[in-house]
Amino acid sequence: NAGVMQNPRHLVRRRGQEARLRCSPMKGHSHVYWYRQLPEEGLKFMVYLQKENIIDESGMPKERFSAEFPKEGPSILRIQQVVRGDSAAYFCASSPDRGHGYTFGSGTRLTVV
Amino acid sequence: DQQVKQNSPSLSVQEGRISILNCDYTNSMFDYFLWYKKYPAEGPTFLISISSIKDKNEDGRFTVFLNKSAKHLSLHIVPSQPGDSAVYFCAVRIQGAQKLVFGQGTRLTINP
Repeated sequence: NAGVMQNPRHLVRRRGQEARLRCSPMKGHSHVYWYRQLPEEGLKFMVYLQKENIIDESGMPKERFSAEFPKEGPSILRIQQVVRGDSAAYFCASSPDRGHGYTFGSGTRLTVV
Repeated sequence: DQQVKQNSPSLSVQEGRISILNCDYTNSMFDYFLWYKKYPAEGPTFLISISSIKDKNEDGRFTVFLNKSAKHLSLHIVPSQPGDSAVYFCAVRIQGAQKLVFGQGTRLTINP
């Protein structure tokens, strides 16, 4: 039973490009969460999705960031026109229901140059 | 505003002794309190949690204590082992919400 799979593990983008981060939840999990960790800081909530629905996006920056979790396929976190301040580790987690027991993936480390 | 604070960025403990990691919070509307462990280049791994209606939860070498009047959470690891060296994050869940609020983390080093 594979865990939460994130890819790519490392992503380098030039300023102004788009970044797409993918997350495949654990089998049987229909709830997905995205968190961002800036250097030397804790994880910050970004968005919570269920299949085809955004449930809570209170942590998402208002511009350039979007997330989806389609009926088929992985959840995608999309960052348009990246800036240096977007450089961070982005973690995805999944859960089978609304309980508090998340399982995290290994993260995608985004570097904007 | 920082709702969850881990005031010690690092902690060094001798192997076999007790490690005590601390966390303070400001909001009374949290219903679950959790500890995660994180190794470099990996995602956080869930360790142990406690509901707001309890004051202690134990799982093997790990015990979490919750002091609601002081708004303080602690994790005790005894005996400490070299494999416990990692960054530990406390996290809290707001009642009725699915998101977690994390502290900044404490880097624990267990010395042989």
